[in-house]
Amino acid sequence: AQSVAQPEDQVNVAEGNPLTVKCTYSVSGNPYLFWYVQYPNRGLQFLLKYITGDNLVKGSYGFEAEFNKSQTSFHLKKPSALVSDSALYFCAVRGGATNKLIFGTGTLLAVQP
Amino acid sequence: GAVVSQHPSRVICKSGTSVKIECRSLDFQATTMFWYRQFPKQSLMLMATSNEGSKATYEQGVEKDKFLINHASLTLSTLTVTSAHPEDSSFYICSARDSRVGQGRSGANVLTFGAGSRLTVL
Repeated sequence: AQSVAQPEDQVNVAEGNPLTVKCTYSVSGNPYLFWYVQYPNRGLQFLLKYITGDNLVKGSYGFEAEFNKSQTSFHLKKPSALVSDSALYFCAVRGGATNKLIFGTGTLLAVQP
Repeated sequence: GAVVSQHPSRVICKSGTSVKIECRSLDFQATTMFWYRQFPKQSLMLMATSNEGSKATYEQGVEKDKFLINHASLTLSTLTVTSAHPEDSSFYICSARDSRVGQGRSGANVLTFGAGSRLTVL
């Protein structure tokens, strides 16, 4: 069965500092990996994905993520955090043979001015 | 880009009544849509996969007679919460994937989500 773990419920970072939101996964076969962001009482917005190719994926709003197969991780990063980045971030995985997208528990990112 | 519209955004109903939530893909066709449920400060739980022209596939533990899903066209799926009770109060979110986008395109494999529907059962 496929699963996603986001070990941190909340990440606090000062504006201008780099941020990392962690994600590890478990899936049969090649993983399709995604990051989504959710603002209060809203649906999810797509940030970036890894399907194949370069391990470093660049996405929306300056975010990027690195696929590490040996560590089964797909951590989200940004070199310089903005207060407006404060939101709930979800990592998700889909196994190659299935249509289902399974989400992690989410990490609340709080960027302090 | 792809847009998914979900309606209503908020609904309050009395216990025992039924509530219908609509999910529409506005500018693309979706042979498959997904319904998720999100509890406060928790992750999204996949409830079911809605298939156009056929029965929905429900996840383990989700009552299909409680949560009726109908995918009548390539752009519309509905979720009906029947005989709603306070424990059904939640945030329901639908999503869809553009079935026309081929592999290698930027939109491939990306689910587009609706804005969600907050159900409160009194």
